[in-house]
Amino acid sequence: DTGVSQNPRHKITKRGQNVTFRCDPISEHNRLYWYRQTLGQGPEFLTYFQNEAQLEKSRLLSDRFSAERPKGSFSTLEIQRTEQGDSAMYLCASSYPGGRVEETQYFGPGTRLLVL
Amino acid sequence: AQTVTQSQPEMSVQEAETVTLSCTYDTSESNYYLFWYKQPPSRQMILVIRQEAYKQQNATENRFSVNFQKAAKSFSLKISDSQLGDTAMYFCASGGQGAQKLVFGQGTRLTINP
Repeated sequence: DTGVSQNPRHKITKRGQNVTFRCDPISEHNRLYWYRQTLGQGPEFLTYFQNEAQLEKSRLLSDRFSAERPKGSFSTLEIQRTEQGDSAMYLCASSYPGGRVEETQYFGPGTRLLVL
Repeated sequence: AQTVTQSQPEMSVQEAETVTLSCTYDTSESNYYLFWYKQPPSRQMILVIRQEAYKQQNATENRFSVNFQKAAKSFSLKISDSQLGDTAMYFCASGGQGAQKLVFGQGTRLTINP
């Protein structure tokens, strides 16, 4: 069990550029979540997948944001035409229904995005 | 809508002391879970303890325990015999049953001093 992994760990980009982040959940976990965390705040929910289906999206997820999980394994989060306000830590989490600690989400290390 | 409030932005105690972090929540869910997560500086968030709302017994994990007051919608975390490694941001979170999103509080920055 290698835990949730995220790549890259850090990304610096210029305003207007597109960026893509990847999340690999714990292998048997079929639920995958994306959160955004700004400095000094708690994480805020962005979106959630069960297998390959995207089941919920937050109002925070503007049309510049898109998330996919094409084969029900890893997921990508893309931000188009980045803005300075997109600077944040993007966290991925996964969970497994029916596990010993059902409903517990396990977090990855995050991708820290800085938009200049 | 769910809300989680942590009213203590920062706390600081001496090593080996006991410290209690406060959390209040509001939810319309009938079945829900409550969590405390720890986020050390520049490190990833890890689960400290969880509580199922339908269980009356307070959860404990070694030096960590909770005081769950369902009627008051209060969920505090007690850390006994605090250690330097407990220094971190602590987040309280709530989630409904059935793979629902977590709603986090603003966090409490806890510093354990030697």
